Amino acid sequence: AQTVTQSQPEMSVQEAETVTLSCTYDTSESDYYLFWYKQPPSRQMILVIRQEAYKQQNATENRFSVNFQKAAKSFSLKISDSQLGDAAMYFCAYSGGSNYKLTFGKGTLLTVNP
Amino acid sequence: DADVTQTPRNRITKTGKRIMLECSQTKGHDRMYWYRQDPGLGLRLIYYSFDVKDINKGEISDGYSVSRQAQAKFSLSLESAIPNQTALYFCATSGGQGLAVNEKLFFGSGTQLSVL
Repeated sequence: AQTVTQSQPEMSVQEAETVTLSCTYDTSESDYYLFWYKQPPSRQMILVIRQEAYKQQNATENRFSVNFQKAAKSFSLKISDSQLGDAAMYFCAYSGGSNYKLTFGKGTLLTVNP
Repeated sequence: DADVTQTPRNRITKTGKRIMLECSQTKGHDRMYWYRQDPGLGLRLIYYSFDVKDINKGEISDGYSVSRQAQAKFSLSLESAIPNQTALYFCATSGGQGLAVNEKLFFGSGTQLSVL
């Protein structure tokens, strides 16, 4: 069974600084997707970024980028120039093969200090 | 209007009561899911449906049942609610074919359920 591990229950960062959230996963599939979702206090689940495993290039969305290490099964999220609005719970998730289901990590609560 | 609509947004109920959470979508997706979120545990899959005639248990289906009334509607029932079912419940949908079904989930805004 696929598992997703987020080893940092909480992180904090100063406004305008950079922070990296960690995620590791376990799978025997060769084709899969990885995601980072953001959940602000409004509790809406917002897709931040996704990575297709067959793509070697790391995905980037504005201030958000990932470091995808397929062999190490690692998928970290880097937030550059952190803003107060980035404060939220962040979930790493996996979906792959014939699974068609998202498996989530337990989440990392990010605090942004002014 | 939201693509995935959940009702109610919040609900307080008592132990032993029957509760139904409803989800409807306008995205035309075949696949629909119910997740439960608990603090420190992330989101866990309760049930999922790949089409109207296909219902599957997720990792924590005990105490829950579902009904896929139509392609656009997927409801979750708690036949006899208990306090440890207090949680935030999300409905989600996905579309596409083949591996593309893994591309993205579209979430509703969640139902916060409290069982006293």
